[in-house]
Amino acid sequence: RKEVEQDPGPFNVPEGATVAFNCTYSNSASQSFFWYRQDCRKEPKLLMSVYSSGNEDGRFTAQLNRASQYISLLIRDSKLSDSATYLCVVTPLRGYNKLIFGAGTRLAVHP
Amino acid sequence: NAGVTQTPKFQVLKTGQSMTLQCAQDMNHNSMYWYRQDPGMGLRLIYYSASEGTTDKGEVPNGYNVSRLNKREFSLRLESAAPSQTSVYFCASSGTSGREAPYEQYFGPGTRLTVT
Repeated sequence: RKEVEQDPGPFNVPEGATVAFNCTYSNSASQSFFWYRQDCRKEPKLLMSVYSSGNEDGRFTAQLNRASQYISLLIRDSKLSDSATYLCVVTPLRGYNKLIFGAGTRLAVHP
Repeated sequence: NAGVTQTPKFQVLKTGQSMTLQCAQDMNHNSMYWYRQDPGMGLRLIYYSASEGTTDKGEVPNGYNVSRLNKREFSLRLESAAPSQTSVYFCASSGTSGREAPYEQYFGPGTRLTVT
C-alpha cells in the first residue's frame, strides 16, 4: 500500500466550479501535511500547509482529519490558471527532511 | 537569485554509460535533495544532504551516488545507467535562512533522462 494515496483524476471542471481533492496517508505517526502544485512538465511548488484546525488561503481551503488519516483540498471559483497537478505531501517523522509525496491529482479547468 | 539550477535539462544515455547530474542553489540552504518522478509513482527521494558534509539514503538509492561538494552544490551520479533509471530527476533545497519555513522545499526545473 502506498504511504500517500490520491485519486489521479483527471478532474475536468468548468471555470467557476468548486472542486475537492482527497488524500489518505497510511502512517498514523505522520507529523505535518502540505499541498504542493505542479504545472505540466514543471517543478513542484508549495501551495499551502494543512493544519489540524483547517486553514484557508484565498480560494483554497485545506482540512486534516487525523482520526481518519485523511487530507482534503477545496478550490472554490476555479480559474483556468488552477489547471495543474496537486500533490499531497506528508512528513513521517519530526523534522522535514523526508517529505513523502502522493502521485498527484490532475485538475483541468475549462472555459 | 536563480534559486535551484540543474544541468543538463535533457539527456539520453545508453545502458551502461555513466553521467553526473549537477545541482546548485543560491539561497544559502542547508539541506538538499535528489528525487526521481515516474508516472503514477509520485516523487521518490533518492538521497538527501541535511547539511554540508553529510549525505543519507532516501527511499530509492540503489544505482546512484551523491556528492555534497559544498553548501551550494549537490551532484547525483549514475555509474552504470539502466533503462529502469529513465525518469525525471529533480533537485531541491530547503533551510532556515530566516525567511522560509523549514518544510518548504524549492525545486529545480528537472532533468529528463532516457536510458536506452
